[in-house]
Amino acid sequence: AQSVTQLDSHVSVSEGTPVLLRCNYSSSYSPSLFWYVQHPNKGLQLLLKYTSAATLVKGINGFEAEFKKSETSFHLTKPSAHMSDAAEYFCVVSDNFNKFYFGSGTKLNVKP
Amino acid sequence: NAGVMQNPRHLVRRRGQEARLRCSPMKGHSHVYWYRQLPEEGLKFMVYLQKENIIDESGMPKERFSAEFPKEGPSILRIQQVVRGDSAAYFCASSPPSGIGDTQYFGPGTRLTVL
Repeated sequence: AQSVTQLDSHVSVSEGTPVLLRCNYSSSYSPSLFWYVQHPNKGLQLLLKYTSAATLVKGINGFEAEFKKSETSFHLTKPSAHMSDAAEYFCVVSDNFNKFYFGSGTKLNVKP
Repeated sequence: NAGVMQNPRHLVRRRGQEARLRCSPMKGHSHVYWYRQLPEEGLKFMVYLQKENIIDESGMPKERFSAEFPKEGPSILRIQQVVRGDSAAYFCASSPPSGIGDTQYFGPGTRLTVL
């Protein structure tokens, strides 16, 4: 069975400091993993995707994530937060039948 | 190349009325997915459709909810006799017909409010 746990419901950082959003997954298959971002009252935008190629995945807007099979983790990082990064972030695992399983989300607050 | 389109963006219904939500996938995409997002929660899978076929409806409530994706036209999510608990954001996503683990591209959502 597939599931995703996002360990922090809220994360607050200061502008210019690093961002770490944590995600652990459970999957019966070799998983496909995604991070999406949702700005208030908007749809979801794909940040990055892992599908068993390189374990370090680079995405848009300076975000990246590292797939660690031994830890069943797929944490999202960014070296320096920007005010425009304030949003909700969802970690997603996909099964072999194209069904997406979403984490409960992490709301990122960026302080000036 | 237009993205996934959903309409209406906002829908208000009174209890007992019907709600119809529409989704037009990206050009060239033949797979459509519907998700529901309750306040302060992540998205929950409802149904996966291809043209004229329901592939997986394991996330659909057993009563009042139905979905279709006809040969021509948008995918429709239909909720009959709405209740207050149906108030949520409903997102549609689409993907190309190329295999497992495809990226799903999401529409802006329809926010349903039941009075």
